Amino acid sequence: QKEVEQNSGPLSVPEGAIASLNCTYSDRGSQSFFWYRQYSGKSPELIMSIYSNGDKEDGRFTAQLNKASQYVSLLIRDSQPSDSATYLCAVNKGANNLFFGTGTRLTVIP
Amino acid sequence: DAGVTQSPTHLIKTRGQQVTLRCSPKSGHDTVSWYQQALGQGPQFIFQYYEEEERQRGNFPDRFSGHQFPNYSSELNVNALLLGDSALYLCASSYGTGSTNEKLFFGSGTQLSVL
Repeated sequence: QKEVEQNSGPLSVPEGAIASLNCTYSDRGSQSFFWYRQYSGKSPELIMSIYSNGDKEDGRFTAQLNKASQYVSLLIRDSQPSDSATYLCAVNKGANNLFFGTGTRLTVIP
Repeated sequence: DAGVTQSPTHLIKTRGQQVTLRCSPKSGHDTVSWYQQALGQGPQFIFQYYEEEERQRGNFPDRFSGHQFPNYSSELNVNALLLGDSALYLCASSYGTGSTNEKLFFGSGTQLSVL
């Protein structure tokens, strides 16, 4: 079983819609969770972090964490073409060692 | 405030050669981690350096080695290059190693091609 699993997509949504990205993790002891955005040919850019159960909102982005279900999600409201990228879910099990999923490629269609 | 800087940006080597990649962490950070990202995959943890010592290591062979200098900058060395070592090599910096909540910030990466 992989440490972190994501649907590889691609996920296509029309401009202005809500994009929903999902991630599950295997280690119940994982304590912190991150979403990175990666444009093609670029390095990952941190967009959200979440540490406790529930929702965390930052602008158009909302991260949701359910530790009982070992599930993390990212919602992007009012999706824009500039949001088209690969979104990586990462889990920190301790000592700043991140385990990444393979990423979900999102395309926002104008 | 300079972010994480890596050099070179691109590198082409042939099988069997050796390569050294360099990284300077974000100002105020003292921990450097290296990741390998193959095409279409998520980054894979190689190792982490803190206080000039390797603190953690992922599932990579001994051909991958590193070093951290007193100014916190770091090098990644790969010996006896294989075609499969072709990837984007990412350096990430953070502060300390004890917290699970510390955010990692990535450099722009070095694209290594092995021919």
